[in-house]
Amino acid sequence: QVQLQESGPGLVKPSETLSLTCTVSGGSISNYYWSWVRQPAGKGLEWIGRISTSGITHYNPSLKSRGTMSVDTSKNQFSVKLSSVTAADTAVYYCARETHVGISSILINWYFDLWGRGTLVTVSS
Amino acid sequence: DIQMTQSPSSLSASVGDRVTITCRASQSIYSHLNWYQYKPGKAPKVLIYAASSLESGVPSRFSGSGSGTDFTLTISSLQPEDFATYHCQQSHTLPWTFGQGTKVEIK
Repeated sequence: QVQLQESGPGLVKPSETLSLTCTVSGGSISNYYWSWVRQPAGKGLEWIGRISTSGITHYNPSLKSRGTMSVDTSKNQFSVKLSSVTAADTAVYYCARETHVGISSILINWYFDLWGRGTLVTVSS
Repeated sequence: DIQMTQSPSSLSASVGDRVTITCRASQSIYSHLNWYQYKPGKAPKVLIYAASSLESGVPSRFSGSGSGTDFTLTISSLQPEDFATYHCQQSHTLPWTFGQGTKVEIK
């Protein structure tokens, strides 16, 4: 079955760039949107953004333009970079697959149907 | 952004209990509401999508209802493997937003 696995440094220094990659195994990365979600300790989940396999991106404005996502279909991977990190960016980062279903003749519902187990990234000097 | 408010933030229940978790949106999101189950160290899992549709493979003791601003996740008979944290998420308007979570603990 399709599985997602996050990878990247667990420790990043303040003001530097956080980089994470999600590898999709057991299936094709094509024809989906792929998202990143994070959860700081003791806080709620925050959607970071998503990318389609054609390169269309949507980002959470809360990131204040610090986020960049990319996709490599030849490697079945997608990535996120978050620049100028601070301690507030310390969190468990999840990658997830988005799919959609029609709920009426004109409405569709998006949801995360597959997730990785998450990886903890700590921002500290 | 659409704010999602879950209640309660935690609850204690026994195996076999009926459990209800509510989620309220700050504006109408029609049926664009999904529910997820989180367990530490495991990949989160979708339970319900589009407010009331059961994801394939999810036990039928889970059900969802609601539309507009008020939604409910119900576990009809709590099982040991159901002790976890549950989050709602709206997919009506970007950015997607989540409720703060409801932790279901053993009584």
